[in-house]
Amino acid sequence: GAGVSQSPSNKVTEKGKDVELRCDPISGHTALYWYRQSLGQGLEFLIYFQGNSAPDKSGLPSDRFSAERTGGSVSTLTIQRTQQEDSAVYLCASSPGTNTDTQYFGPGTRLTVL
Amino acid sequence: GQQLNQSPQSMFIQEGEDVSMNCTSSSIFNTWLWYKQEPGEGPVLLIALYKAGELTSNGRLTAQFGITRKDSFLNISASIPSDVGIYFCAGSSGGYQKVTFGTGTKLQVIP
Repeated sequence: GAGVSQSPSNKVTEKGKDVELRCDPISGHTALYWYRQSLGQGLEFLIYFQGNSAPDKSGLPSDRFSAERTGGSVSTLTIQRTQQEDSAVYLCASSPGTNTDTQYFGPGTRLTVL
Repeated sequence: GQQLNQSPQSMFIQEGEDVSMNCTSSSIFNTWLWYKQEPGEGPVLLIALYKAGELTSNGRLTAQFGITRKDSFLNISASIPSDVGIYFCAGSSGGYQKVTFGTGTKLQVIP
């Protein structure tokens, strides 16, 4: 069956530009997460969506970062005025919602800010 | 906030050797998870633990949920080259709670 997909797989942008990263979760999964993984580092939680509840944005590092989830399915992570320190792999995960512990990850988007 | 300390940070082992890695938390978790990440891919769930003291196996992998609920370990027996990757522990308080990930253990297997 289809897993979590993310696009683009790679994104190179210039400092100061805005970028949008997309996540398509597994169909029927109500929970969706975004994480950031810097080179050789662990996973840094960014934001969490659960059904129709207000998202948990506590992990967003600055107001340049935002995310939305339309129709309870596809999610977009937007980074405005990108900085070089934003360079990382951005991972999306979804879970069924009844057990949010079991997250299924996408392959990630590698963002490089020049 | 919750913090997970994972050790060792990296390991080089000979093929056929057993491997052990562990994770400790500053607070109690109700669920412990172990993931493996290979280059260019997202983490994949290996084992989930839901009860203190629980010992669960998945093939050559065995993980335990510590009695104090503040630690967990993962053992890999008779390592093979395809075991190479980064292993992450993760914990959560259960229900609609976000999961906290450890910093990862990078495993390299020498054929």
